[in-house]
Amino acid sequence: AQSVTQLDSQVPVFEEAPVELRCNYSSSVSVYLFWYVQYPNQGLQLLLKYLSGSTLVESINGFEAEFNKSQTSFHLRKPSVHISDTAEYFCAVSESGGFKTIFGAGTRLFVKA
Amino acid sequence: DTEVTQTPKHLVMGMTNKKSLKCEQHMGHRAMYWYKQKAKKPPELMFVYSYEKLSINESVPSRFSPECPNSSLLNLHLHALQPEDSALYLCASSQVLNTEAFFGQGTRLTVV
Repeated sequence: AQSVTQLDSQVPVFEEAPVELRCNYSSSVSVYLFWYVQYPNQGLQLLLKYLSGSTLVESINGFEAEFNKSQTSFHLRKPSVHISDTAEYFCAVSESGGFKTIFGAGTRLFVKA
Repeated sequence: DTEVTQTPKHLVMGMTNKKSLKCEQHMGHRAMYWYKQKAKKPPELMFVYSYEKLSINESVPSRFSPECPNSSLLNLHLHALQPEDSALYLCASSQVLNTEAFFGQGTRLTVV
């Protein structure tokens, strides 16, 4: 069965600084990988996804993630964060042909002025 | 329309009450999900419907009863809940199983 680990529970960072949120997964078959963002008192929103093809995926608001099969990682990066990026970020994995998507424990990104 | 709509947004219920949570999507998605989320925790999968049939029940207590009346609607019937069931209940849908999910805003449930 698949599993996913988010190595940092909280990441404080100053505005306009770069940030990396780490995600590692475990699976014996091919996987689909996702990053979701959750703002306070809201549902989750898909930030970006890897299904197949190019290992570098980008979102419309400047985030990117790279699928690294050898290191079983899917780290999320942004070169310059804004106050508005403060939120909870969840990495998720599902197995090709499987039934369930598993979420990591989440990383709280806190952007300081 | 790329929205998943959940009603109500907030619900307070007693332990002897019966209530229902509703979820609706008009994206033509054939998979729908119920998740439970406690504060500062990730969503926990409760139920999965695929093509209106229950595919997964994650050993959820029988006081939670899902229903999928048609491909656009998903209900969660609640009866005799406990205070520890207080949480944010999220509905989601995806085109088919395990593709990217669209989430509703959730129902904040408080059991008193």
